[in-house]
Amino acid sequence: QQQVKQSPQSLIVQKGGIPIINCAYENTAFDYFPWYQQFPGKGPALLIAIRPDVSEKKEGRFTISFNKSAKQFSLHIMDSQPGDSATYFCAARSGNEKLTFGTGTRLTIIP
Amino acid sequence: DSGVTQTPKHLITATGQRVTLRCSPRSGDLSVYWYQQSLDQGLQFLIQYYNGEERAKGNILERFSAQQFPDLHSELNLSSLELGDSALYFCASSVEPLSTDTQYFGPGTRLTVL
Repeated sequence: QQQVKQSPQSLIVQKGGIPIINCAYENTAFDYFPWYQQFPGKGPALLIAIRPDVSEKKEGRFTISFNKSAKQFSLHIMDSQPGDSATYFCAARSGNEKLTFGTGTRLTIIP
Repeated sequence: DSGVTQTPKHLITATGQRVTLRCSPRSGDLSVYWYQQSLDQGLQFLIQYYNGEERAKGNILERFSAQQFPDLHSELNLSSLELGDSALYFCASSVEPLSTDTQYFGPGTRLTVL
């Protein structure tokens, strides 16, 4: 019930392409869905987050798409750059419960 | 820089030993969270404190314990260390333990148990 399943495990995209990372959850009580970006040797940093009352949220080149009925959400990175190469984690939370993280996607953007 | 500090950055120790990891939250943040990150397990929530009191427990082993002090810094104590405890340990902080409250992560402590 508390799991968040993330795919793919790794992704290689050419510069300018649109990498898409997908997450699925089971717990319908989740009401907050953040994405974190982690560079090697650093802690995760909040990238963008969405509540289930909206279907899409954009911040710069990053977009979250949310499908409440399918219990899925995804991260799209527009015009991807080599500097976007990092590990991305989706997460979900219900009320003041703990954040449950996906297993991470290692993204590589090749020039 | 998230404003969360963790010490030490690296720690190498032997099996059976005990270590203490330290975390200072961002100024004004009352809630502290501890996570373990290993290659095969991703980010696992260990424990949360809010204003000095334990709020939530995750997959924390009995050999591990934590506390949050009056000045809001927190320590994670790991004892009877095993090889499998080798991982990155992150501390995060937030103002309140609310659903939409952003958690800011520190740079982590890399623990190696030999």
